[in-house]
Amino acid sequence: AQSVTQPDIHITVSEGASLELRCNYSYGATPYLFWYVQSPGQGLQLLLKYFSGDTLVQGIKGFEAEFKRSQSSFNLRKPSVHWSDAAEYFCAVGSDSNYQLIWGAGTKLIIKP
Amino acid sequence: DTAVSQTPKYLVTQMGNDKSIKCEQNLGHDTMYWYKQDSKKFLKIMFSYNNKELIINETVPNRFSPKSPDKAHLNLHINSLELGDSAVYFCASSPSGGPTGELFFGEGSRLTVL
Repeated sequence: AQSVTQPDIHITVSEGASLELRCNYSYGATPYLFWYVQSPGQGLQLLLKYFSGDTLVQGIKGFEAEFKRSQSSFNLRKPSVHWSDAAEYFCAVGSDSNYQLIWGAGTKLIIKP
Repeated sequence: DTAVSQTPKYLVTQMGNDKSIKCEQNLGHDTMYWYKQDSKKFLKIMFSYNNKELIINETVPNRFSPKSPDKAHLNLHINSLELGDSAVYFCASSPSGGPTGELFFGEGSRLTVL
């Protein structure tokens, strides 16, 4: 069965520091991979997605993610975080054999001033 | 002009009552969804409609009934509300169903059952 694991429930980072949020998935074929962000009191917004091709994908708000097939990972990165990046981040996986997305449990990003 | 709008944003009600949440999207998308987000932020899909036709119906109590009068609207009616129904309910839409379409979410409707 497909699954998505976000190992960190929450992460605290100082403003201006770099960020990496982890996402591991379990799926046999090449998955469709997504990162969404949920700001407090808001709905989710797509940050970036990977379907095929270049394994390093760029998204909005200065985020990027790298697909590593050998590690079944799709980690989200940002070189320098801003206080406005404080939010909940969700990794999700889709496939041609499953009509719906499988969601991770989310990682809450806390920014220290 | 909000792309996916839900009403009401907040809903506080007593156990046993019936309530509805409405959702409208002006993006011209074919597919709409209802998600439930619990207090631990876990997202669970409830229903999905593609062009007014139900395509995903997860294991959800029969007290929950979606209705799509047209492809721009997807409403959620809940009968006999229970404490465990307290959650944030998100409506979303996508240009096409399936695993590759980007989801556009509404701001959520926070339901509190007392």
